[in-house]
Order: sequence, then C-alpha cells, then structure tokens
Amino acid sequence: GQNIDQPTEMTATEGAIVQINCTYQTSGFNGLFWYQQHAGEAPTFLSYNVLDGLEEKGRFSSFLSRSKGYSYLLLKELQMKDSASYLCAVEETSGTYKYIFGTGTRLKVLA
Amino acid sequence: ETGVTQTPRHLVMGMTNKKSLKCEQHLGHNAMYWYKQSAKKPLELMFVYNFKEQTENNSVPSRFSPECPNSSHLFLHLHTLQPEDSALYLCASSQVRAGGPGTDTQYFGPGTRLTVL
Repeated sequence: GQNIDQPTEMTATEGAIVQINCTYQTSGFNGLFWYQQHAGEAPTFLSYNVLDGLEEKGRFSSFLSRSKGYSYLLLKELQMKDSASYLCAVEETSGTYKYIFGTGTRLKVLA
Repeated sequence: ETGVTQTPRHLVMGMTNKKSLKCEQHLGHNAMYWYKQSAKKPLELMFVYNFKEQTENNSVPSRFSPECPNSSHLFLHLHTLQPEDSALYLCASSQVRAGGPGTDTQYFGPGTRLTVL
C-alpha cells in the first residue's frame, strides 16, 4: 500500500536546529517534496529531491535516501515564524501526476 | 492577481444547498488539482485535470462535481453535501513536463474553508 509517515508534532527553541523525518512506501517514486503550511494558509513549496543526497537552500535543507524510503527536512537557526506544519509529499510515477501527502508535522518554535 | 486564487475563502452551506468553488491560476500551468484537507488527515487528492481533461477522479462521491472550462480555471460544484464534507478545499496547479512522466512543483491556492451544517 501507499504510506507516508511523519511525526505529528515537534517543539524546538528559537535559534536551534530541528530535523523533521519522513518515511514513505509508494507504488512509484518520481520525487519528494516538502511544503510549509501556516495555519489557515496555502501550502508553500520548500524543496524537491529526486536524487539521493542533500539539497541546501539557505536555512532549510532536505535529504533523500531512495533505497531507505527516507527523507528529512532540516531547519537551522529557527525563528518564531517557522512555527507551521511541514508536509512531506511523494510524486508517484503512475503517469497521473499524483502527489501522496503525509499528515504533516506541526512545529512549534518557542522563545 | 498572482499565483493561484480561490473564491470564496469561507463558505457555510446547508445540506440541501448548491454552491460552487472557484479556482484561477495565473501561472500559465497546464494541470490543475482539487484537494481536500481535513483536520489530522493527509491532504487528499480529489481530481486532476491535465490540459483541461480530467485524468484522475480519486473515488470522490458524485456530490462533488468538477469543471475545467480552460487551463486557467477550475470549479468544484457542490450539492447535497454531508457534515463530514466540512474541510479546507485546496486548489493547486503545475506544469506537466513535456515528454512526461511527472510534473513540476504544485502551487497551491489559499483554500476555501467549507462548513456544512
């Protein structure tokens, strides 16, 4: 079956580093996306990984291991505005351009 | 307007009402999507339109009826909904890669918060 697992909630302190993990089992794989969603707002694109390894974008980095069905999003120098839900999504190769989403990880950044 | 817009942002309707949600994308994309987001559940893909043709109907009840008149506009017509249909309905668009498979990043609208009484 298809399954994407993420922790439900995480808490971290301003200025710290936090790693949000995502494991997946899907019928196909054509890339993994991370989105940020603030309460009541649209999900916004953060990162995309299709090859194994680390992609770095400023304070945010994303890692992928296809053989392990595993990804993580790393947030450095946390700021209060980083409090949001972080959604992991896998694009299947079924030809229907489908994303399978995890339930999201709600991150709370404390002062 | 930029990006993906959705109207209305909030909608309250009775179970016997008929209403429509509207989505418009200003990104020149060729694929559009409807998702349902309920509390503590993953985003659920409902419909996919690729070049105005519906390519995916993810076992959605017939009380939800999509319409895609052109590549920039997408509607979701609602009738005789149930209280469990209350959720955030998100529209997204993307550019399908020439030669396929796969698609570039999906861009989301702000959603319509639907409450069914």
